[in-house]
Amino acid sequence: ETGVTQTPRHLVMGMTNKKSLKCEQHLGHNAMYWYKQSAKKPLELMFVYSLEERVENNSVPSRFSPECPNSSHLFLHLHTLQPEDSALYLCASSQGADRDGTEAFFGQGTRLTVV
Amino acid sequence: SQQGEEDPQALSIQEGENATMNCSYKTSINNLQWYRQNSGRGLVHLILIRSNEREKHSGRLRVTLDTSKKSSSLLITASRAADTASYFCATGETGANNLFFGTGTRLTVIP
Repeated sequence: ETGVTQTPRHLVMGMTNKKSLKCEQHLGHNAMYWYKQSAKKPLELMFVYSLEERVENNSVPSRFSPECPNSSHLFLHLHTLQPEDSALYLCASSQGADRDGTEAFFGQGTRLTVV
Repeated sequence: SQQGEEDPQALSIQEGENATMNCSYKTSINNLQWYRQNSGRGLVHLILIRSNEREKHSGRLRVTLDTSKKSSSLLITASRAADTASYFCATGETGANNLFFGTGTRLTVIP
């Protein structure tokens, strides 16, 4: 248990569905991240929130929409996804950028399958 | 790309042997971190080495960093079957929240 909880753990959705992934941390961290992990590819950094403001958006398609209502919660809203979006979606949190660097704590991930 | 690249992609060793994994990166960094991932699960932080450090130890783990070559290595000594997992390096930049990962090394330790 890392202190970062993701729900659901598994999700199967059709291409016309709308669903949301949820991430919650109670570590007092002020930065939260969404990563996408596909087979045989590096982890792709999708979004970064620092102090509830989005600071990074790595050219992610608009069918992925993040939301950070407070420093403890992060959502990833999904709509009209494609089969190639099937992957493991990982949420992480950290204390935030500082001069010395900081480790990230990951959730267990949501295994998403788009049919 | 800012992402690191691990080498080898896969490594299979006998229990008790040492395992060495390498990471190369392209940009200037503030720190480099190693993570472990069991199949289909989240990543777990192992060790962080800062750009002004050259070597760091944690239990059976030894990490080196050569900023002139933009490379790092992770050594796991006296490996155990439970060490079987994927290992990733990640680079962090000064003043930035981003953490960029490589493709990972899949380590299999045979009992």
